Amino acid sequence: GIQVEQSPPDLILQEGANSTLRCNFSDSVNNLQWFHQNPWGQLINLFYIPSGTKQNGRLSATTVATERYSLLYISSSQTTDSGVYFCAVGSGGSYIPTFGRGTSLIVHP
Amino acid sequence: DTGVSQDPRHKITKRGQNVTFRCDPISEHNRLYWYRQTLGQGPEFLTYFQNEAQLEKSRLLSDRFSAERPKGSFSTLEIQRTEQGDSAMYLCASSPNPGGEQYFGPGTRLTVT
Repeated sequence: GIQVEQSPPDLILQEGANSTLRCNFSDSVNNLQWFHQNPWGQLINLFYIPSGTKQNGRLSATTVATERYSLLYISSSQTTDSGVYFCAVGSGGSYIPTFGRGTSLIVHP
Repeated sequence: DTGVSQDPRHKITKRGQNVTFRCDPISEHNRLYWYRQTLGQGPEFLTYFQNEAQLEKSRLLSDRFSAERPKGSFSTLEIQRTEQGDSAMYLCASSPNPGGEQYFGPGTRLTVT
């Protein structure tokens, strides 16, 4: 099956800093999502981005499907950005998603 | 629309007991997915439905696990003869179509003692 690798596994930032999270995948994909998991376990949709670039406030994402990676940018980080960020990709006709292991982000005030 | 809901939010059970979890997807979403998540890992796909049809169940963790979506609306996930290794967060998600954006419920946290 498709392999999904996220980096870095852990990230510690000071409030106001910028960061880039990466998701590499081993095969062509037909869907890709970024999620933020809050401390209560809820997965919150950030972007549905099988290709191209999207922006939502301080967050933006870019997927280069031909090179099999996606990037999530967080600018001017806030303590509320803390949590785990997951990338999930789907491939083939069934679109069954495969998740990476996530990037754990801690933002200190 | 209030989003995907799951019930119960927490379940503590003794080893050997059966448990059943319910998921109510966003209305008119055709696809419904079940996942399991253990500490430090990403969600692990278990099974999914397209309307009432269960299209993939080979990844259910054992024959103690089963899922239904009888009328193409809500779904249930049952674990029979629970084991301590079943302790995890069980997540449900729905999407409006194959390959569409998934929306997750809050999860059911299972503890087997």
